[in-house]
Amino acid sequence: GQNIDQPTEMTATEGAIVQINCTYQTSGFNGLFWYQQHAGEAPTFLSYNVLDGLEEKGRFSSFLSRSKGYSYLLLKELQMKDSASYLCAVEDSNYQLIWGAGTKLIIKP
Amino acid sequence: TAGITQAPTSQILAAGRSMTLRCTQDMRHNAMYWYRQDLGLGLRLIHYSNTAGTTGKGEVPDGYSVSRANTDDFPLTLASAVPSQTSVYFCASSGASGGQDTQYFGPGTRLTVL
Repeated sequence: GQNIDQPTEMTATEGAIVQINCTYQTSGFNGLFWYQQHAGEAPTFLSYNVLDGLEEKGRFSSFLSRSKGYSYLLLKELQMKDSASYLCAVEDSNYQLIWGAGTKLIIKP
Repeated sequence: TAGITQAPTSQILAAGRSMTLRCTQDMRHNAMYWYRQDLGLGLRLIHYSNTAGTTGKGEVPDGYSVSRANTDDFPLTLASAVPSQTSVYFCASSGASGGQDTQYFGPGTRLTVL
């Protein structure tokens, strides 16, 4: 079967750094996406990885290891507005996105 | 730019009734998707369309139907609603199906079936 695992909830402090992990087992791999979803809103695109390594985009970075079936999203200099759910999704061999249940990130002052 | 719009924003529906959720995009994207999102679960694909005139079944298609008469519109129909279809429904689009193309989401429709 296909499976995407993420922690259900994480808590971090404003100004700190947090790493959200995602492990996956899918039928094929054509890339991994991270999306942000604020409560009651639509998911919005954050990052895409298809090759191993780190992709940096401002305060957000995403890492991929295809051999380990593992990715993480790193958020630096946390702000209150970063309180949201973070969704990991893998594009499988049929080019369909398989989604994790999301990690709810709570930022405390 | 509007991007993707969905209507209605929310709806309460009696079991057994039919309903069509509307989705329109103005980005001229070829591919469109319908997902449902339930608490504790990831987004699940209901139906998709790689291009106008074609549709395909996703992970959870039973009880739902779609059509793609043109590039912009991708309505989702529930022929006879059941309480298990209570969910938040998101429509999404991408420039192409697969191949690293980012999906963009509409604001969602919150549906309650009683």
